[in-house]
Amino acid sequence: GAGVSQSPSNKVTEKGKDVELRCDPISGHTALYWYRQRLGQGLEFLIYFQGNSAPDKSGLPSDRFSAERTGESVSTLTIQRTQQEDSAVYLCASSPLAGGVGELFFGEGSRLTVL
Amino acid sequence: AQSVTQLDSHVSVSEGTPVLLRCNYSSSYSPSLFWYVQHPNKGLQLLLKYTSAATLVKGINGFEAEFKKSETSFHLTKPSAHMSDAAEYFCVVSDRPQGAAGNKLTFGGGTRVLVKP
Repeated sequence: GAGVSQSPSNKVTEKGKDVELRCDPISGHTALYWYRQRLGQGLEFLIYFQGNSAPDKSGLPSDRFSAERTGESVSTLTIQRTQQEDSAVYLCASSPLAGGVGELFFGEGSRLTVL
Repeated sequence: AQSVTQLDSHVSVSEGTPVLLRCNYSSSYSPSLFWYVQHPNKGLQLLLKYTSAATLVKGINGFEAEFKKSETSFHLTKPSAHMSDAAEYFCVVSDRPQGAAGNKLTFGGGTRVLVKP
């Protein structure tokens, strides 16, 4: 498809389990972002990838969270030993380097529920 | 450091009346500012952006926003609300030194708009 694709769209897991969320950015977009949106709240920055540069991990809330991206392709966000406070919608966005500042294209998100 | 404050968490308007969504920001450099809209169960969509060109920015769906440096504001307006405008709106700032790589955005807490018939 032409847009940012995220999977799974919904994930229910038990406390303590690990989860992996996937993001397929728009082809050719060099920048990729992960945000978290808790119920009724704004977006919380998690991590940012730009080409082959070192990622900006300053938003990751704990060492249970990690993310990888190979080149300018798919990214995975992994949450280990999930806690109930991890329940949120995890949003991925990509941006073309030539597209200018701030033109992020968002996926529809992965809704994570930790029981 | 950059931050964004959306002054209203909820706004209720009647169809056909003006909409005003307020946003104030703080930044260390010359900011770029954006408004995004999120319809229920949909992804976020860029409405408009300010990147140091004209201070009055026109976006999609009849929305516009005015950058006022003296007031550190970037309020979003629309002259006549439509039922399809019911959504959540986010004011966003990107604050990087000129020439710096990267595009880290900071989102405001959001304003939920309700449009009454």
